[in-house]
Amino acid sequence: EAGVTQFPSHSVIEKGQTVTLRCDPISGHDNLYWYRRVMGKEIKFLLHFVKESKQDESGMPNNRFLAERTGGTYSTLKVQPAELEDSGVYFCASSQDGGTASYEQYFGPGTRLTVT
Amino acid sequence: GNSVTQMEGPVTLSEEAFLTINCTYTATGYPSLFWYVQYPGEGLQLLLKATKADDKGSNKGFEATYRKETTSFHLEKGSVQVSDSAVYFCDLRSFGAAGNKLTFGGGTRVLVKP
Repeated sequence: EAGVTQFPSHSVIEKGQTVTLRCDPISGHDNLYWYRRVMGKEIKFLLHFVKESKQDESGMPNNRFLAERTGGTYSTLKVQPAELEDSGVYFCASSQDGGTASYEQYFGPGTRLTVT
Repeated sequence: GNSVTQMEGPVTLSEEAFLTINCTYTATGYPSLFWYVQYPGEGLQLLLKATKADDKGSNKGFEATYRKETTSFHLEKGSVQVSDSAVYFCDLRSFGAAGNKLTFGGGTRVLVKP
């Protein structure tokens, strides 16, 4: 069974440009999460999809970030326009059942975003 | 709100040394607690978990006990190997008002030297 995949693995862009990150969850997982780790600090929650619906987007930092999950399969996270403080590692995770506190979330390898 | 505090690294050890990474938490309700590990060049992997007080999670020689009285979930391994070099994240999940998102600590980088 394929794990969570993310693309690209690394992106370097200039301030003001646009970048789109992609996440493919494990097949059959309705729950998809985005997290990010900025400046080597703690990993912070961004948002949670259940199928194509946004269940919780309380962690999205501002309106320069747009997440979509059309069709309830893969998800994209667009940053437009990118700022220097957006640099970090963006992780995607998926789980089968979001309704149980102990249910495991499976993480992708992350996308390292560098804004110069 | 929920929060997790873990010791800052890096932690540098020699092979076969004893490893402890402290983790304490603040949460409402009865959270589940986890340790994730990120090996170089890879994504986060679940290392072990505990879902209620006094539970002990264990995997690959690592152990952690859910201590409600001290709100702690310290990670331990009796004899580390070079292959244990990684970044370790303590985190919790409490379902309900806080949803199902994970709350992570800052991560502790561990370097094991031969």
